[in-house]
Amino acid sequence: AQSVTQLGSHVSVSEGALVLLRCNYSSSVPPYLFWYVQYPNQGLQLLLKYTTGATLVKGINGFEAEFKKSETSFHLTKPSAHMSDAAEYFCAVSDDGRFNSGGSNYKLTFGKGTLLTVNP
Amino acid sequence: AAGVIQSPRHLIKEKRETATLKCYPIPRHDTVYWYQQGPGQDPQFLISFYEKMQSDKGSIPDRFSAQQFSDYHSELNMSSLELGDSALYFCASNPPGARVETQYFGPGTRLLVL
Repeated sequence: AQSVTQLGSHVSVSEGALVLLRCNYSSSVPPYLFWYVQYPNQGLQLLLKYTTGATLVKGINGFEAEFKKSETSFHLTKPSAHMSDAAEYFCAVSDDGRFNSGGSNYKLTFGKGTLLTVNP
Repeated sequence: AAGVIQSPRHLIKEKRETATLKCYPIPRHDTVYWYQQGPGQDPQFLISFYEKMQSDKGSIPDRFSAQQFSDYHSELNMSSLELGDSALYFCASNPPGARVETQYFGPGTRLLVL
């Protein structure tokens, strides 16, 4: 079974400071890894994803994440926080749940989320 | 670009009532997922459909049922509602083809059970 652990349910940074949100995963197969952002009373927006290839992945809004297989980690970073980055961030994992019929089943297992607050 | 549509966006029900949530995937997407996000919780996978057949099942209560129709839209039917069913219900869809692993999420339906 897959699982995701996000260290720190709440992270607070100053505007302009480095953002680091931690995510560790457990998966029996090579995982697909995702970071989603959720603004208050809104849906889930994909920030970035890792499937295969380059382990450093760049996403929207200046975020990036590095897949480290040896550490089973996929931490999210941003060099300089902006007030608009304040939101809930979810790390998620899925596997290649392909059926023989050719369909797809990439159900996501989410972490508990990290609330990022940005102080002026 | 077209997105996943969910209706209604907000729903208020009394205990023991029933509710039906609808999801319209992005055109030509053949796989639909349902997730439930309780207050302050992470989204939990409920159920998924591929080509109108149930493809996987998660922590979906027996009081809930779902199906995918010939036009690929999906409906989540919830009966004997309980206070604990109050949550944000997300639908997501996948396009067909190889190596498509990214789910496109709808805005969610917020259900409040009183």
